[in-house]
Amino acid sequence: GAGVSQSPSNKVTEKGKDVELRCDPISGHTALYWYRQSLGQGLEFLIYFQGNSAPDKSGLPSDRFSAERTGGSVSTLTIQRTQQEDSAVYLCASSLRRQETQYFGPGTRLLVL
Amino acid sequence: AQRVTQPEKLLSVFKGAPVELKCNYSYSGSPELFWYVQYSRQRLQLLLRHISRESIKGFTADLNKGETSFHLKKPFAQEEDSAMYYCALNRGTSYGKLTFGQGTILTVHP
Repeated sequence: GAGVSQSPSNKVTEKGKDVELRCDPISGHTALYWYRQSLGQGLEFLIYFQGNSAPDKSGLPSDRFSAERTGGSVSTLTIQRTQQEDSAVYLCASSLRRQETQYFGPGTRLLVL
Repeated sequence: AQRVTQPEKLLSVFKGAPVELKCNYSYSGSPELFWYVQYSRQRLQLLLRHISRESIKGFTADLNKGETSFHLKKPFAQEEDSAMYYCALNRGTSYGKLTFGQGTILTVHP
């Protein structure tokens, strides 16, 4: 079946612009996670959704970052006023239920010039 | 706070040799430990989780709470094992938030 998909696969933007990254989880998966993979920082947790609510936003690095999930499915991660340090690969993962195996998407590679 | 350390950024072995990828963690509670693997141009995928006590693709990992380690081992490495390996920890929360190590790039030479 279809796995987790993310779009766009690559995004180049100018400093100060806003970007939206999309994640389509596996159908029926209730838990959704965003992680960031950057040089020097490795893989970092950003936010967790259970259904449409986000019980843990503790990994969002600043208030420029926000995320939402609608219909218990698609999630969007928005970065406002992008900075060069936001350049990274943003990974989305979903699991059937919380605590079950997380399935990762291919990631969105973001480059802020 | 929890922390996962993978001391080797790079590890090279020859085909057929044993391989061990080290992982140490710091967390005072009862964590759940995982190994994830990312092959070239593929997405990150689960290799092992300690509660399953399985052997996947010939790899095993034992949780040693005394040494706070979860090293990944394989007795005879294969070229197709070449990949990036991440050790990860879930600190026993009711959901699966993962803390990852920095990763180890394993290269298996023919």
